[in-house]
Amino acid sequence: GDSVTQMEGPVTLSEEAFLTINCTYTATGYPSLFWYVQYPGEGLQLLLKATKADDKGSNKGFEATYRKETTSFHLEKGSVQVSDSAVYFCALLYSGAGSYQLTFGKGTKLSVIP
Amino acid sequence: GAGVSQSPSNKVTEKGKDVELRCDPISGHTALYWYRQSLGQGLEFLIYFQGNSAPDKSGLPSDRFSAERTGGSVSTLTIQRTQQEDSAVYLCASRRLAGVYNEQFFGPGTRLTVL
Repeated sequence: GDSVTQMEGPVTLSEEAFLTINCTYTATGYPSLFWYVQYPGEGLQLLLKATKADDKGSNKGFEATYRKETTSFHLEKGSVQVSDSAVYFCALLYSGAGSYQLTFGKGTKLSVIP
Repeated sequence: GAGVSQSPSNKVTEKGKDVELRCDPISGHTALYWYRQSLGQGLEFLIYFQGNSAPDKSGLPSDRFSAERTGGSVSTLTIQRTQQEDSAVYLCASRRLAGVYNEQFFGPGTRLTVL
């Protein structure tokens, strides 16, 4: 079945450092890909998405490019801030049964220190 | 406008008891999902409701789990004879009907602890 693998955390970075969180997927067909973020004490929020190969999703300085050839959707940010501290989830959209349910990776906890 | 709300925010129960978790989706959202977030397992799909169609129950882990959605709005997830492995955060999400790529909006979750 469909699955998502993302790098294990936790990740600790200093403010203004470069961030990469790796995400690879296994899926039949052509899934849509997402990054969700969960800030401390809050619910999951959509950060960005890409619906087809070579699409780049971007939001709040974060970017991820849908790479079909490497089945990857790595999350990057050039300069992280303390406010980016959160848990990040990579996900794909499974539409085979018409439920459009999300399949998530296990999450990567990011801590940014001043 | 109001987002997805869930209640209670925290629930502690004893092994063997039944629990009910409630989700109020965003008004006008016809699709509703339940997911479970547990340590080491990440986020897992449980069940999906879409309008008056039969729900997709393919993610429910056992027959102790059931859910209903009344009037196409509020949903209740029921866990019977709770076990310690049921301890997790239960998340509800809703989505507008149109468009497969429409965003799922998540509630804050209910943290269930089974002693």
